[in-house]
Amino acid sequence: DGGITQSPKYLFRKEGQNVTLSCEQNLNHDAMYWYRQDPGQGLRLIYYSQIVNDFQKGDIAEGYSVSREKKESFPLTVTSAQKNPTAFYLCASSIAGGFTDTQYFGPGTRLTVL
Amino acid sequence: DQQVKQNSPSLSVQEGRISILNCDYTNSMFDYFLWYKKYPAEGPTFLISISSIKDKNEDGRFTVFLNKSAKHLSLHIVPSQPGDSAVYFCAASAERNDMRFGAGTRLTVKP
Repeated sequence: DGGITQSPKYLFRKEGQNVTLSCEQNLNHDAMYWYRQDPGQGLRLIYYSQIVNDFQKGDIAEGYSVSREKKESFPLTVTSAQKNPTAFYLCASSIAGGFTDTQYFGPGTRLTVL
Repeated sequence: DQQVKQNSPSLSVQEGRISILNCDYTNSMFDYFLWYKKYPAEGPTFLISISSIKDKNEDGRFTVFLNKSAKHLSLHIVPSQPGDSAVYFCAASAERNDMRFGAGTRLTVKP
């Protein structure tokens, strides 16, 4: 059955290390998104991609990088330049871009940097 | 800057009664609003939406009301059921260019 998968569910890394979070969808959606959630705050947009080989920065892109080489996959790399990387990361997809199409979310990855 | 605010972090109601979740926004350019529901260990799922050209949208037990002059959005759940217990996020979009989320309200429906 179709959906979005994020792996792993929990991730631990040492400070200064880059880490890549996986996001895969088999919904044939064109658009994909990465959000970050911190306690007491709403989801904040990191990056989004409306089509393969194209992506745009969201509100808090600094210290993150993405790629969109395949329609199904939108991995997020948290680099050592991200000053406060410990957070809950959610990936989403939608049929098309534009933010008014319903977004379908994965279960999330909780990243803890030690 | 929090352009979308959900000022109540939690809400508790009795089964069968009405649940009212509130959301305020500051950006007058927002023209599309959504509610998402999130269970523990799952991603948010879309619940209901409303365009700024409407002031009400209904889907079964769920109704969203939009008051543009007050920049206020509310979600009504009638009757509330224990399975509705979840975190509810309000979200808003401006001219299809962005999506802003509130911090969420945790709803607990007691049997």
